[in-house]
Amino acid sequence: IAGITQAPTSQILAAGRRMTLRCTQDMRHNAMYWYRQDLGLGLRLIHYSNTAGTTGKGEVPDGYSVSRANTDDFPLTLASAVPSQTSVYFCASSEGQDTDTQYFGPGTRLTVL
Amino acid sequence: GQNIDQPTEMTATEGAIVQINCTYQTSGFNGLFWYQQHAGEAPTFLSYNVLDGLEEKGRFSSFLSRSKGYSYLLLKELQMKDSASYLCAVRDSNYQLIWGAGTKLIIKP
Repeated sequence: IAGITQAPTSQILAAGRRMTLRCTQDMRHNAMYWYRQDLGLGLRLIHYSNTAGTTGKGEVPDGYSVSRANTDDFPLTLASAVPSQTSVYFCASSEGQDTDTQYFGPGTRLTVL
Repeated sequence: GQNIDQPTEMTATEGAIVQINCTYQTSGFNGLFWYQQHAGEAPTFLSYNVLDGLEEKGRFSSFLSRSKGYSYLLLKELQMKDSASYLCAVRDSNYQLIWGAGTKLIIKP
């Protein structure tokens, strides 16, 4: 593994289903982030984690949950998917929170029907 | 509210110079980032400004004026591979990144 990986690459999901998007980094970065990107809008922060064992809410957290059991993994769960959650989801990481550059995974394209 | 403004789309000619502007209104300021994003790919880091002035990195330069809430990204000697979206992001007082919607740059031969 080099950098950040995300799985799946893309997914079509029926509304009401539960879905977990996976994110793994091998850079030993402390901070990790989940964003969604929608056409015509900037990246919007869903949840973040400044260090293993801690998480925080971003700009658009409703309908999503995260966990950070260790440094490397930061899964994002949609408990009951709705069509408005159709988007491209990016996971990112940075060495720290305060001044460090964020590095992005390749993204997951999710369609909720 | 917090706001980042960038032009939606720009067109330039191969070999030319283009300037992409970004204005921001945020709660606090802890640095401004520029990222490049090719279609269907992840954003990749280009530059970071925290003090006023120009930062030069090869063909790309980024300028910041904190008093004006303004930055620009300057791309010189444009190449076809520079066709991409360019994202401006500001780190606010909570150290969260606030993102603009991005500027799609189209390079014509």
